Amino acid sequence: ETGVTQTPRHLVMGMTNKKSLKCEQHLGHNAMYWYKQSAKKPLELMFVYSLEERVENNSVPSRFSPECPNSSHLFLHLHTLQPEDSALYLCASSQSWDRGRLNTGELFFGEGSRLTVL
Amino acid sequence: AQSVTQLGSHVSVSEGALVLLRCNYSSSVPPYLFWYVQYPNQGLQLLLKYTTGATLVKGINGFEAEFKKSETSFHLTKPSAHMSDAAEYFCAVSGTGGFKTIFGAGTRLFVKA
Repeated sequence: ETGVTQTPRHLVMGMTNKKSLKCEQHLGHNAMYWYKQSAKKPLELMFVYSLEERVENNSVPSRFSPECPNSSHLFLHLHTLQPEDSALYLCASSQSWDRGRLNTGELFFGEGSRLTVL
Repeated sequence: AQSVTQLGSHVSVSEGALVLLRCNYSSSVPPYLFWYVQYPNQGLQLLLKYTTGATLVKGINGFEAEFKKSETSFHLTKPSAHMSDAAEYFCAVSGTGGFKTIFGAGTRLFVKA
């Protein structure tokens, strides 16, 4: 496989469920991102990991818990979500800024996981 | 701080007509600028990017954009629209030394036959 792969593509869960979204990148990048895309709103950056360390956490509620076990994998653990959390969750990767060379910040996105919270 | 404004949430053109999608940005540091496209049920795909050098950048599918520092603009154009261009387009800005890419709200392009 190539690029950025997200699973599952669609997820329906109740407010008391626990589920996880998975992202895997095959591009040799070492920065990974979670974005939330809601209707009629700009993309919201949720979390950024660089070299497996979290470097951005944009005031995201604790019911979203990220995990980055290695530079190729990123998870978003979901627990007691609210209906307003229904959205498309996009994973992206890029070359880390720490590589000591010019990095344009170009993002490579997966196809997203469409989450519906009932 | 950085921000992006895309003028017009919806743009409709006829097939073969000029496509012009507007983007203005603000940035306290020299910006890197991007246009991404999103087709239904897919993630975002890079169309083109400006980092340094030539201010007119060409991208995929016949699109191009011009960085105008004096106008803080990065408008996207295509001389002749095709039905397959119907999608949502996002302008984005990032600065050197950070991980934050700020996206505009998006412009949905409709192409009429």
